[in-house]
Amino acid sequence: EDQVTQSPEALRLQEGESSSLNCSYTVSGLRGLFWYRQDPGKGPEFLFTLYSAGEEKEKERLKATLTKKESFLHITAPKPEDSATYLCAVQVGIQAGTALIFGKGTTLSVSS
Amino acid sequence: GAVVSQHPSRVICKSGTSVKIECRSLDFQATTMFWYRQFPKKSLMLMATSNEGSKATYEQGVEKDKFLINHASLTLSTLTVTSAHPEDSSFYICSVHDSRGKETQYFGPGTRLLVL
Repeated sequence: EDQVTQSPEALRLQEGESSSLNCSYTVSGLRGLFWYRQDPGKGPEFLFTLYSAGEEKEKERLKATLTKKESFLHITAPKPEDSATYLCAVQVGIQAGTALIFGKGTTLSVSS
Repeated sequence: GAVVSQHPSRVICKSGTSVKIECRSLDFQATTMFWYRQFPKKSLMLMATSNEGSKATYEQGVEKDKFLINHASLTLSTLTVTSAHPEDSSFYICSVHDSRGKETQYFGPGTRLLVL
């Protein structure tokens, strides 16, 4: 069974304190790994898609990396506005347009 | 990225009534849309895949007669919760499959349904 596990479940950081969120996956044929940010009461906001091991993508203070078993979302010098739930999801199989399988998310709180 | 809207953003209804939620792809034509459900402090659970011009594909455990999905055009999919009950109260989110360039999925802002 395809599975996505995120850790930690919750993370509290001081402003400027860098850290990483983990997403480990067990799937049969990874097509893509997605990172989203979700604020309370809102839909997920797309951050990155990673397709192959070794790939890295950056956006402002965020950097996502991918290995054959897991992905990391590195947050450098976070600010309070980075507080949100970060969701990892995978798309599996060879067919395009299939749904995503989500992890339970990591809720990040950044205090000033 | 793609722009996706949902309407309404919030709805409160009485038990036994039906509620329709619209999901629109505003800046491109989407042949495939997805409907997810999210309970408080839980992750997104796929309910069904909506394909334009054909019947939706429902996930195991999702009642197709209760959650009616219509994807009548390339920019609109609707989810109708029929004979709603309090246990149907949830956050419903749609997404669109964007196959332009590298494929990805963009989500709508969600609809909060409360059934009294």
